[in-house]
Amino acid sequence: QKEVEQDPGPLSVPEGAIVSLNCTYSNSAFQYFMWYRQYSRKGPELLMYTYSSGNKEDGRFTAQVDKSSKYISLFIRDSQPSDSATYLCAMSEFYRDDKIIFGKGTRLHILP
Amino acid sequence: GAGVSQSPSNKVTEKGKDVELRCDPISGHTALYWYRQRLGQGLEFLIYFQGNSAPDKSGLPSDRFSAERTGESVSTLTIQRTQQEDSAVYLCASSKRTSGSDEQYFGPGTRLTVT
Repeated sequence: QKEVEQDPGPLSVPEGAIVSLNCTYSNSAFQYFMWYRQYSRKGPELLMYTYSSGNKEDGRFTAQVDKSSKYISLFIRDSQPSDSATYLCAMSEFYRDDKIIFGKGTRLHILP
Repeated sequence: GAGVSQSPSNKVTEKGKDVELRCDPISGHTALYWYRQRLGQGLEFLIYFQGNSAPDKSGLPSDRFSAERTGESVSTLTIQRTQQEDSAVYLCASSKRTSGSDEQYFGPGTRLTVT
């Protein structure tokens, strides 16, 4: 089993829909969870980060972490065509040097 | 701009040749990372530099890969005797590495094609 599992998609949804992106992981030592957005031919950019379990909201984006289930989610409300990108989850143990483990990324298409 | 820059943006090379990829991190960022991203795959950690500490080379896939960094400035990733499986986007990222946040800022990547 890979450390981080993420469905590669593609996921196509109509504009305005709520998008749910998910990752599962196997390492219970992960404490620091991130979502990156990567547009085509660009480097990833950090979208959200959370520490330990719980929810974090930033505008149209909500990140959820359920450490008991080793499951993280990113929700996008009122999705826009500009949200079309690849979304990578990432996680690390944080207190140690220092690899961040990335998922393969989910390709998201928002249809106008 | 003040972001991470990488050069070249694209590199096509013949199998067996050596290539050198460059990364200019954000000024003041003590940490620098190299990743490889193959088509349809996630980011694969290669090497990590933190200040003047010995680099973490545990992700380098073979001894054909090496990287250097001078102080807290530019870094070069060298691939010797390139193979077709080395074709990928090579991403560099830098970070402040302050407590409470480990945000990595990525460059646009170098797309390497080995023919």
